[in-house]
Amino acid sequence: GAGVSQSPSNKVTEKGKDVELRCDPISGHTALYWYRQSLGQGLEFLIYFQGNSAPDKSGLPSDRFSAERTGGSVSTLTIQRTQQEDSAVYLCASRTPSSYNEQFFGPGTRLTVL
Amino acid sequence: DAKTTQPTSMDCAEGRAANLPCNHSTISGNEYVYWYRQIHSQGPQYIIHGLKNNETNEMASLIITEDRKSSTLILPHATLRDTAVYYCIVRWNTGNQFYFGTGTSLTVIP
Repeated sequence: GAGVSQSPSNKVTEKGKDVELRCDPISGHTALYWYRQSLGQGLEFLIYFQGNSAPDKSGLPSDRFSAERTGGSVSTLTIQRTQQEDSAVYLCASRTPSSYNEQFFGPGTRLTVL
Repeated sequence: DAKTTQPTSMDCAEGRAANLPCNHSTISGNEYVYWYRQIHSQGPQYIIHGLKNNETNEMASLIITEDRKSSTLILPHATLRDTAVYYCIVRWNTGNQFYFGTGTSLTVIP
């Protein structure tokens, strides 16, 4: 079946521009996560959505970062006024409501800020 | 969530068992041990998890010490496709977040 998909796969932008990254979770997965992985580093948690509950935004590094999840499915991560240190792979993951153990990850979006 | 410590890198000969250690000395009673791996240019993939007892599935075995302060992931017959970064994570099983450290980079050598 279809897994988690993300788009675009690669994004190159200029410093100061805004970018939007998209995540399509697996159908029926009500929990959705965004992570960031800088070169040679582990994954850094950004934000978590679960159903209609208020999202856990505790990992967002600054107010330039925001995320939405419309209709409980597709999610968009927006980075405003991008900086070079925002360059990283942004990964999305989803899981079923009851299975806390296994997250299914998408292939990621590689963001390069020039 | 408890912090974990893993070696930065390891090598393993193809066909041999790969034993990846993880220290989690500050683990609390209700925290589980999870293992994920990340093959180059892909998202992480769940491998296995456990609380107290040793666990085995089609991918690997997880051995947790009696005091739960360390664990070992065992890939019984490593193949070249097992070359990846392996992350050991300790967390509440109902928690929101997975804290991925920098993991162990396993290289399986032909």
